[in-house]
Amino acid sequence: AQSVTQLDSHVSVSEGTPVLLRCNYSSSYSPSLFWYVQHPNKGLQLLLKYTSAATLVKGINGFEAEFKKSETSFHLTKPSAHMSDAAEYFCVVEGGGFKTIFGAGTRLFVKA
Amino acid sequence: NAGVTQTPKFRVLKTGQSMTLLCAQDMNHEYMYWYRQDPGMGLRLIHYSVGEGTTAKGEVPDGYNVSRLKKQNFLLGLESAAPSQTSVYFCASSSLRSADTQYFGPGTRLTVL
Repeated sequence: AQSVTQLDSHVSVSEGTPVLLRCNYSSSYSPSLFWYVQHPNKGLQLLLKYTSAATLVKGINGFEAEFKKSETSFHLTKPSAHMSDAAEYFCVVEGGGFKTIFGAGTRLFVKA
Repeated sequence: NAGVTQTPKFRVLKTGQSMTLLCAQDMNHEYMYWYRQDPGMGLRLIHYSVGEGTTAKGEVPDGYNVSRLKKQNFLLGLESAAPSQTSVYFCASSSLRSADTQYFGPGTRLTVL
């Protein structure tokens, strides 16, 4: 069975500093992995997805994530946070057979 | 190109009342989904549809019914609302070619008193 764990419920950074949002997954095979962002009172927007083509995945708005099979991790990073990055971020594993499993979410706060 | 739209945006119901949430997509996607989002729990799949006239249960289907009479629309019904159904409901759609990439609507915030 597939599962996903977001290791931090809240992350706070200062504007201009790096962002790291951590995600671990469990899967019996090599899954498809995603990061979505949700701004307040908005729907979810796809940031990036991993489907085994390359372990380092670049997404929109300067975000990227690295798939590490040995660590079963798919952490999301950005070199320099912007105020507009403040949102909730969801790590998602596609479990096959329409089993899309969402993490509980990490809320990112960006301080001026 | 509006993408995925949801109607209504907000609704307050009394226990036992019924209502229908409407989802529409203009991307000609084959697959459509209904999720609920509760604090600290991410999104959970209620029902989904792989095509017009077909629906299937997701992770948390109890208390909900769905219909997909037209390819572009996916309706979620609550026959007798309960306070436990207070949540934010999201509709999503995806294409046959890229089924794992879902496009989400803006959500419907439902409160059941």
